Amino acid sequence: KNQVEQSPQSLIILEGKNCTLQCNYTVSPFSNLRWYKQDTGRGPVSLTIMTFSENTKSNGRYTATLDADTKQSSLHITASQLSDSASYICVVIHAGNNRKLIWGLGTSLGVNP
Amino acid sequence: NAGVMQNPRHLVRRRGQEARLRCSPMKGHSHVYWYRQLPEEGLKFMVYLQKENIIDESGMPKERFSAEFPKEGPSILRIQQVVRGDSAAYFCASSFSTGYNEQFFGPGTRLTVL
Repeated sequence: KNQVEQSPQSLIILEGKNCTLQCNYTVSPFSNLRWYKQDTGRGPVSLTIMTFSENTKSNGRYTATLDADTKQSSLHITASQLSDSASYICVVIHAGNNRKLIWGLGTSLGVNP
Repeated sequence: NAGVMQNPRHLVRRRGQEARLRCSPMKGHSHVYWYRQLPEEGLKFMVYLQKENIIDESGMPKERFSAEFPKEGPSILRIQQVVRGDSAAYFCASSFSTGYNEQFFGPGTRLTVL
């Protein structure tokens, strides 16, 4: 069954600290993987899109990694800010099946001063 | 270039009434997707439409829910005879090309059924 699992479910860190969010998937065949940020009460916003051949991609303080062999991805946030408080959602695109998006449940991140 | 627009942002309905949610995609986008997000849960795909066609409605409940994307005008998600369990945030996304390429999301419509 095509699934995306994220951990931890929720996380609280202090402002300025780093954190890493995990995403494991069983989607096959795989097209690409995306990380979205969803602020409370808003729609998701894309952070990164990674294809099969990409291992690392950065977007400012966000760095995503992908290991297509182990079917794992991580999102590393450096020097966290209060505005990073949000839900971070991992989405895997199925290469067949009309390229359907398989959504994780997200990790809820809280950054405290 | 305006982003994806949804209206209304908040909608309150009593049980048994109809809810109509509207979505205007980004300029140049002809692919629209609807998602539902229940409180404390992840996004759930409902339906994928192109102009005048439903491509994939595998996530849409079989009864009371319908969607359209006419040649002119916004995409409409229609919920008939709403029940309390329909209370959720409904997000629309649009994309430029075929398949499920990068989707841009609207701000959502929060439906509350009393």
